[in-house]
Parts: sequence; structure tokens; C-alpha cells
Amino acid sequence: QVQLQESGPGLVKPSETLSLTCTISGGSFTNYYWSWIRQPPGKGLEWIGYIFENGITNYNPSLKSRVSISIDTSKNQFSLNLSSVIVADTAVYYCARGKGWYSDDWGQGTLVSVSS
Amino acid sequence: QSALTQPPSASGSPGQSVTISCTGTSSDVGGYNYVSWYQQYPGKPPKLIIFDVTERPSGVPDRFSGSKSGNTASLTVSGLQAEDEADYYCSSYAGSYRFGVFGTGTKVTVL
Repeated sequence: QVQLQESGPGLVKPSETLSLTCTISGGSFTNYYWSWIRQPPGKGLEWIGYIFENGITNYNPSLKSRVSISIDTSKNQFSLNLSSVIVADTAVYYCARGKGWYSDDWGQGTLVSVSS
Repeated sequence: QSALTQPPSASGSPGQSVTISCTGTSSDVGGYNYVSWYQQYPGKPPKLIIFDVTERPSGVPDRFSGSKSGNTASLTVSGLQAEDEADYYCSSYAGSYRFGVFGTGTKVTVL
């Protein structure tokens, strides 16, 4: 059973960069893609982007100019950078494993607040 | 990109059935057989319960079923149980440029 765990700062100042890492255990990178998805408090889910083992990425067009996702298979990790954050970027950020066009395993999520 | 439209709430008594709709367009729900459904309890991550419109992951009760007609997908929960009270989100592939899109979410209440 694969396990995913998000880590990173819980508080980021406006205009700075939000950086999160997802550590994967008990599973392989092969034949999956790895996603970041967020959920503002009390609201719905939003895809941020995903990355394949070979480094190919795809980003939500609405966030594309500010998002970067990278992967380090030697550390069993993939990471999210979201630049120039604003208060509206406050959300629970989930990492998830994707197969086909669905996500079958999710991390527990980490709340990131954007505030000065 | 616009979210898929779901009713904000749905309810039913134990043992009854409840159906949740998920309406999109021909560019997402109607264009691909890649609709998935997620169940989410408060403070917990979403859990996949339906993928590829009708398929259930291992361990998901067969009380949960999915279907699609045109631009609208549906999730039916039969034989409602207290543990089914949760938020439910649909999601659909929307082409490589539009990426993936989620529904607005439906809160299911077991009366």
C-alpha cells in the first residue's frame, strides 16, 4: 500500500513562494503520474498539476505562470513550488498518485496559510 | 476553467437511494469516458470510489455505482448507510490543455 506525505511550511507571506514536498513510501514511481491538488477552506478541489517519472509536467492553465513541479526519484519525492502567492492561495494542499485519469491514493493534506 | 456542476446537497433515509448529478460539456464529461467520483469526510483526504465512469476500485461497496448520459454523469448510492454521509466530488478529464476538472461538490446527508 503506497503512502504519501506532504511536508513544508504552514505559513507563507504574500508575494513569496510556497514550497511543498511529497514523500512516497511503499510504492513505485513507474506507470503512475504524481499530482498536486488543493482545497481552500470550506471549498472544492482544484487540480494544480502533475508530473511523470520522466519529468514531463502538465499544469492547470489558471496557475501555469506561477507553478513548478519537480521530481526526485532517488529520494522518492516530488515537489511543488507556487510563486507570488496571494491570500487566495490559502488551502489544504494534497499530493496524490494518478493512474489513467483519476487519483487512487492521496496524502493526508497540509494546510498552507498565506498571511503577512 | 469552469468546474463541473453538482447540486450542493442531497439526502435520503437509511436504506434509500440517492443520486448525484455532475454536469459538464462535450469538452469534458460528454467527450470522454474518464469521469471519476471521490468521497470526502471532514478533515480527511478524498477517497476514490468510481473511476472511468462505472468502475469501482477494490474494496468499494457495490452500493456505489456510476453512469453517464451525454454531458451529465451520475453517482448513485443505494441502500444508504449512516457512514455514507460525506461530501462527494466528480472529476473529468478535459483534454490535455484544459487538464482535469472537478465538480463543485455535493454534501450527502443521511436523515
